[in-house]
Amino acid sequence: ETGVTQTPRHLVMGMTNKKSLKCEQHLGHNAMYWYKQSAKKPLELMFVYNFKEQTENNSVPSRFSPECPNSSHLFLHLHTLQPEDSALYLCASSRGIDTEQYFGPGTRLTVT
Amino acid sequence: AQSVTQPDIHITVSEGASLELRCNYSYGATPYLFWYVQSPGQGLQLLLKYFSGDTLVQGIKGFEAEFKRSQSSFNLRKPSVHWSDAAEYFCAVGVLYSGGNKLVFGAGTILRVKS
Repeated sequence: ETGVTQTPRHLVMGMTNKKSLKCEQHLGHNAMYWYKQSAKKPLELMFVYNFKEQTENNSVPSRFSPECPNSSHLFLHLHTLQPEDSALYLCASSRGIDTEQYFGPGTRLTVT
Repeated sequence: AQSVTQPDIHITVSEGASLELRCNYSYGATPYLFWYVQSPGQGLQLLLKYFSGDTLVQGIKGFEAEFKRSQSSFNLRKPSVHWSDAAEYFCAVGVLYSGGNKLVFGAGTILRVKS
């Protein structure tokens, strides 16, 4: 497996469910990111982790909870989501905090 | 505040024709600039980047972009478009914050290629 992988690729969940998105990078990078991509809106940065430490929380609601156990893995824990949270969630990684980012294929989330 | 403007939401070109996608940014310092491409249902793929040096940068798939500081622009070009280039293209600027650099993206330009 190479690059940045994300699982699952598609997820449908009810508003009372709890689920997690997983991201893994095989590039030896030190920084990882979560982005949200909604229809008709620019890509929004959600969280940044650098060497496992969170360095950015872009005013994301607490129903989204990130976890970065090591530099290769990033999770996004979801609970009591709203229908407006339906979007494509993209994970990215970079060698350093000031270098180009490489993206995974995304998880298409639908909240019913 | 930092921002990126891609003025064209949709562009349609004929296969074999040249292409230019426009990007303007607003950022007070020397920017890091990027172009990414996204095919339907996929993540973003890096086409090219500008950090410093030569203002004309070459990327993958025959794309190039030119940084013009006086115009705050970073337009993407390709001399001859192929049908497989149909996708959505995003321009982004890297901006400094206390934790490092983060990307601010434009709204994207959807490229359609007609045969």
